[in-house]
Amino acid sequence: GENVEQHPSTLSVQEGDSAVIKCTYSDSASNYFPWYKQELGKGPQLIIDIRSNVGEKKDQRIAVTLNKTAKHFSLHITETQPEDSAVYFCAAYFFSGGYNKLIFGAGTRLAVHP
Amino acid sequence: DAGVIQSPRHEVTEMGQEVTLRCKPISGHNSLFWYRQTMMRGLELLIYFNNNVPIDDSGMPEDRFSAKMPNASFSTLKIQPSEPRDSAVYFCASSLGTSDYNEQFFGPGTRLTVL
Repeated sequence: GENVEQHPSTLSVQEGDSAVIKCTYSDSASNYFPWYKQELGKGPQLIIDIRSNVGEKKDQRIAVTLNKTAKHFSLHITETQPEDSAVYFCAAYFFSGGYNKLIFGAGTRLAVHP
Repeated sequence: DAGVIQSPRHEVTEMGQEVTLRCKPISGHNSLFWYRQTMMRGLELLIYFNNNVPIDDSGMPEDRFSAKMPNASFSTLKIQPSEPRDSAVYFCASSLGTSDYNEQFFGPGTRLTVL
């Protein structure tokens, strides 16, 4: 069935270090992969996304990579700052029931220590 | 734009009581989603509306849960009767549509505690 696996579940880094979160998906037909950031007491917010026609996308300190053959995609945060501390969710769209359904990974709780 | 608005932000109720959660999507958005977030199961899609019509309710856990969207600017999620295992954060999200992977905008959520 439709599934997105995300690792690690928790990640602790020192300010200035890099953080990497990895996800795999089950449906090879999936072709759009957003990443959401959820701060404490708030709803998830889209921070970056990638479509299957590209292998990498960057936005300042954030980058996503996609390996369609391996059905694997990753979020990379460089020069981490305390305000990057949050829960990050990867997601993938699956065509199901006549529409594109968004399935989320379990989330990664990132802690950036000053 | 005020974003997606949810009320109440917090709800504490006793087992067996009826609970109604409310959502106002972003103006102009024609798709609305209700999600439930728990530590054990993460973010789960409960129901999806498009143009006020329920398209996919396969995520609704059981008959105690019901959702309505009487117009483009309002939706409710009702639990009757509520049970302790319903305790979770419930999010409403809206988007312009689903045909082209449009971004889903999430509300702040309603934290429900059933005692």
